Amino acid sequence: AQRVTQPEKLLSVFKGAPVELKCNYSYSGSPELFWYVQYSRQRLQLLLRHISRESIKGFTADLNKGETSFHLKKPFAQEEDSAMYYCALRAPSGNTPLVFGKGTRLSVIA
Amino acid sequence: DSGVTQTPKHLITATGQRVTLRCSPRSGDLSVYWYQQSLDQGLQFLIHYYNGEERAKGNILERFSAQQFPDLHSELNLSSLELGDSALYFCASSVGIKGELFFGEGSRLTVL
Repeated sequence: AQRVTQPEKLLSVFKGAPVELKCNYSYSGSPELFWYVQYSRQRLQLLLRHISRESIKGFTADLNKGETSFHLKKPFAQEEDSAMYYCALRAPSGNTPLVFGKGTRLSVIA
Repeated sequence: DSGVTQTPKHLITATGQRVTLRCSPRSGDLSVYWYQQSLDQGLQFLIHYYNGEERAKGNILERFSAQQFPDLHSELNLSSLELGDSALYFCASSVGIKGELFFGEGSRLTVL
């Protein structure tokens, strides 16, 4: 079964501190993995996807197949990073939907 | 705004009633997805339509049904409502079956 686990409901860090939002997944194979973000009063939107190996707003995420993890990291947190972050997984083939974790609320303290 | 549009934004109703939530996808998007977000449950996938046809079904209750119309808008019908159906219902659209999902603002349903 496909499952995404985000162990932290809430993560508070100080401005300028490093951030790591944890995501572990359960899937037999190589899934597509994503991070979505929802800022206050805005829509849920795609932040980044593992296949593009990009850095968006200073965030990166590395797929670790051995640990089945896809943690989101940023070296220096900014106040505007405060938001709800969702990790999501999708099977690469077939007609399967995006499966989301329960989300982690990041609060960056000035 | 050419993004995903959901109506109504808020809806309060009583147990046993029936409601219809509406979603208009982004222009050009053929896929529509419905998700339910309850307290502490995260985003639960309900159903996916592509160009008018049902493509995938998640944990959608039998009391719930959906359809996608020829103009590609979609409706989610919730009947015999129970208190536990209170949730935020999101619609998302994408160009194809595997594309990036673009979300609406959600419809908040409160069942009293």
